[in-house]
Amino acid sequence: EVQLLESGGGLVQPGGSLRLSCADSGFSISSSHAMAWVRQAPGKGLEWVSVISGNGAGTYYADSVKGRFTLSRDNYKSMLYMEMNSLRAEDTAIYYCAKCITVFGMVAGMDVWGLGTSVTVSS
Amino acid sequence: DIQMTQSPSTLSASVGDRVTITCRASQSISDWLAWYQQKPGKAPKLLVYKASSLEGAVPSRFSGSGSGTEFTLTISSLQPDDFATYYCQQYNTYPWTFGQGTKVDI
Repeated sequence: EVQLLESGGGLVQPGGSLRLSCADSGFSISSSHAMAWVRQAPGKGLEWVSVISGNGAGTYYADSVKGRFTLSRDNYKSMLYMEMNSLRAEDTAIYYCAKCITVFGMVAGMDVWGLGTSVTVSS
Repeated sequence: DIQMTQSPSTLSASVGDRVTITCRASQSISDWLAWYQQKPGKAPKLLVYKASSLEGAVPSRFSGSGSGTEFTLTISSLQPDDFATYYCQQYNTYPWTFGQGTKVDI
C-alpha cells in the first residue's frame, strides 16, 4: 500500500523557518507523479499550498506563500521537501503532502495523502 | 483567482437519503474539478476527479456531474460512513482553489 509520511512540523516563532519533508513508502514520489502540499488551519477548510512537477522542473505556489515557501524533491530518495521561511501566525495549520493523478497530462486530483504534520507559528 | 462556492455549507440528512452538494466556480473550469471527503482528524480522500470520474474503490452511490461553472456531488443513498465534510477543488487554473466545504451531519 502506498503511504506518504510527513515530518518536520513543530512550534516556531513568527519570522522563523521550518523544513517539511514527505517520505514515500511506495512509489508515489517518483518522476511519474506531480506532488502537492495542502494545509488546513485549525477548524478551517482546505487550502492548496504548492505543487511540483514529476521531474521537479515546475513549481507553483498559492499567493499566500509565494516567495516564502520553496518546494523541492529528490526522486532517488523518494522524498519531497518544502522549505518554509518568514513564517506567520496565519501559516499555522496541518500540512498534508499528496500525490497527484493526471489526465491528458494535466493534474486532475490528489489520490494519496499523508497523515499530516502540524505547524504552529507563535511567540 | 477562481472562487469555488459550495452549497449548502451544512446539510442535515438521514441514512438512506439522497444528498446533493453543489459547487459553483466563478469562471469556467471545463471539467477540471475534484471532490474530496474528509472526516475529523483524517486526511481528505479523493472521491471524484475530472468532474464525473469515480476514483477506484469509491462506492458507486457517489457520483459527480457538471461542467463549466456548475457541478454536483450526489450520494444516492446516504450511509452511516458518509457523514463527513465534502470539498470541491478546481484544477483548471493556478492557484488551485477549494470550496469552503459542506458538512453532512445527522
